[in-house]
Amino acid sequence: DSGVTQTPKHLITATGQRVTLRCSPRSGDLSVYWYQQSLDQGLQFLIQYYNGEERAKGNILERFSAQQFPDLHSELNLSSLELGDSALYFCASRDSSTDTQYFGPGTRLTVL
Amino acid sequence: LAKTTQPISMDSYEGQEVNITCSHNNIATNDYITWYQQFPSQGPRFIIQGYKTKVTNEVASLFIPADRKSSTLSLPRVSLSDTAVYYCLVGHRDDKIIFGKGTRLHILP
Repeated sequence: DSGVTQTPKHLITATGQRVTLRCSPRSGDLSVYWYQQSLDQGLQFLIQYYNGEERAKGNILERFSAQQFPDLHSELNLSSLELGDSALYFCASRDSSTDTQYFGPGTRLTVL
Repeated sequence: LAKTTQPISMDSYEGQEVNITCSHNNIATNDYITWYQQFPSQGPRFIIQGYKTKVTNEVASLFIPADRKSSTLSLPRVSLSDTAVYYCLVGHRDDKIIFGKGTRLHILP
């Protein structure tokens, strides 16, 4: 158990819909990262937050947005969903003292 | 960010020592080298991190030559459960973390 929690574990929805994925970092970690991993693909960095502020952006689509709240949990919002958005979405938090990322169990999104 | 190059896949047998080498010719002075392991449908898991020379923990060893342009992850006496994708990352704090395609390690009985 990494200490990072993600909900829900599975999400099935239809094209055009909007979903919200939630992540709680490890206690004490201020950074949250979001990644997308499609079938048999590598991890695609989407976005990073640090203590509530956006720190870095990767290949995140305009239909996707995220935020980090004062209690440090983060939400990734995916809208106007397309079939190609079906993937595993991972959240990670970073231990700033060791610069190590700890990943959550992921949310598997299926868009039908 | 320093780019990394590692083999796409490797096969080995149970009980063998496996060495996976990662090239990072453009590594910066303050970059660390970190390896992660990922099983199917799970998030990557930290294995080991180093800056120079050799680092060893209960899971693996990491060898880094003096020029730091490459590093080798060594897994002693692998078992079937070590079948996974292994990622080599190079960077320092506050870098956005970029995962490459990793090395798919397949352990055979």
